Amino acid sequence: QKEVEQNSGPLSVPEGAIASLNCTYSDRGSQSFFWYRQYSGKSPELIMFIYSNGDKEDGRFTAQLNKASQYVSLLIRDSQPSDSATYLCAAPPSNDYKLSFGAGTTVTVRA
Amino acid sequence: DAGVIQSPRHEVTEMGQEVTLRCKPISGHNSLFWYRQTMMRGLELLIYFNNNVPIDDSGMPEDRFSAKMPNASFSTLKIQPSEPRDSAVYFCASSLTSGGIPPSETQYFGPGTRLLVL
Repeated sequence: QKEVEQNSGPLSVPEGAIASLNCTYSDRGSQSFFWYRQYSGKSPELIMFIYSNGDKEDGRFTAQLNKASQYVSLLIRDSQPSDSATYLCAAPPSNDYKLSFGAGTTVTVRA
Repeated sequence: DAGVIQSPRHEVTEMGQEVTLRCKPISGHNSLFWYRQTMMRGLELLIYFNNNVPIDDSGMPEDRFSAKMPNASFSTLKIQPSEPRDSAVYFCASSLTSGGIPPSETQYFGPGTRLLVL
């Protein structure tokens, strides 16, 4: 079992819609969870982190964490063509500084 | 502030040649990570250092790969001899593992080195 799993997509949404990305993790000891965005040909860029159960909002992005279900999600509201990218979910194994990354979900926002 | 700096940005070499990739982490960061990314395998952690000491090199594919961090501001990843299957984008990332906000595991990536081995 991979440590972090994402629905592989690709996910295509119309401009203005909500894009919903899901991620599960296997290590119950993981405390912090990260979403990175990677544009084609570029490096991963941190967009959000979350470590408390519930929702965390930052602009059009909302991260949701449910530790009991070992589930973390990212919602992109009012999707824009500039949101078209691959989104990587990451979590550290317990008692470690490294991050385990999911395979990524590619999002395409149709104008 | 400067982010993570990597050089070269692109490297084309022939099979059998030695390749050296370089990384300068964000000033003050004490952990450094080397990743490899391919379409087939995604983002793979090769090795990471904490306070210049290698902590986990379980992702290093084989003896042809080696990494060093002689000081807090410089690291190298060397492939000798290189093979076509080493062609990938190699990323360096750094973090400050001091706790608090953002979390210690928050990593910041460099622009990457695109390696093509012919």
